Amino acid sequence: NAGVTQTPKFQVLKTGQSMTLQCAQDMNHEYMSWYRQDPGMGLRLIHYSVGAGITDQGEVPNGYNVSRSTTEDFPLRLLSAAPSQTSVYFCASSYGTSDYNEQFFGPGTRLTVL
Amino acid sequence: LAKTTQPISMDSYEGQEVNITCSHNNIATNDYITWYQQFPSQGPRFIIQGYKTKVTNEVASLFIPADRKSSTLSLPRVSLSDTAVYYCLVGDGGYNKLIFGAGTRLAVHP
Repeated sequence: NAGVTQTPKFQVLKTGQSMTLQCAQDMNHEYMSWYRQDPGMGLRLIHYSVGAGITDQGEVPNGYNVSRSTTEDFPLRLLSAAPSQTSVYFCASSYGTSDYNEQFFGPGTRLTVL
Repeated sequence: LAKTTQPISMDSYEGQEVNITCSHNNIATNDYITWYQQFPSQGPRFIIQGYKTKVTNEVASLFIPADRKSSTLSLPRVSLSDTAVYYCLVGDGGYNKLIFGAGTRLAVHP
């Protein structure tokens, strides 16, 4: 199994541009989520999904959209990038509520918005 | 939401045992305690989880006293490769309740 994969690894955007961060998992996990991590800080939840077709907001959802059309994929869209969105983005997945604490994280996408 | 408090940083030397304590005074009856490890430029990795008393796996031990208001992650005989940030999380399920604080930055020296 490849686990959780994320693309791209690095990305530089200009203010106002849009882009999609890709996340995929091959473990048949129902639960997937997106976090951002700013320097010296812990992870903050952006959006999460409890299954295909179901998404919900986390702690810092503004400026981001998600969709979950398949179990495997959970893309994160930045509609109009802002410098405040410069961060490292992590995607994670887990089996379900009973095992939610064991999340499997991807390698991250380092995003810089100029 | 159960808030956790950990030391910001710790230093140790190779071969020593490291104990990182996490305070969670407002822990609820259904909450579990979970620890993650994060290396630079990588995503966090699950280490251990427990509800009460002691849990041990091949990587670490987790000690939880009877009142469950704190927990201690114990890393036996650390090596340089254990240099990482360690996060203590408390929750009972649901991603909107899972909070990663700033963690404890452990530096292991030769």
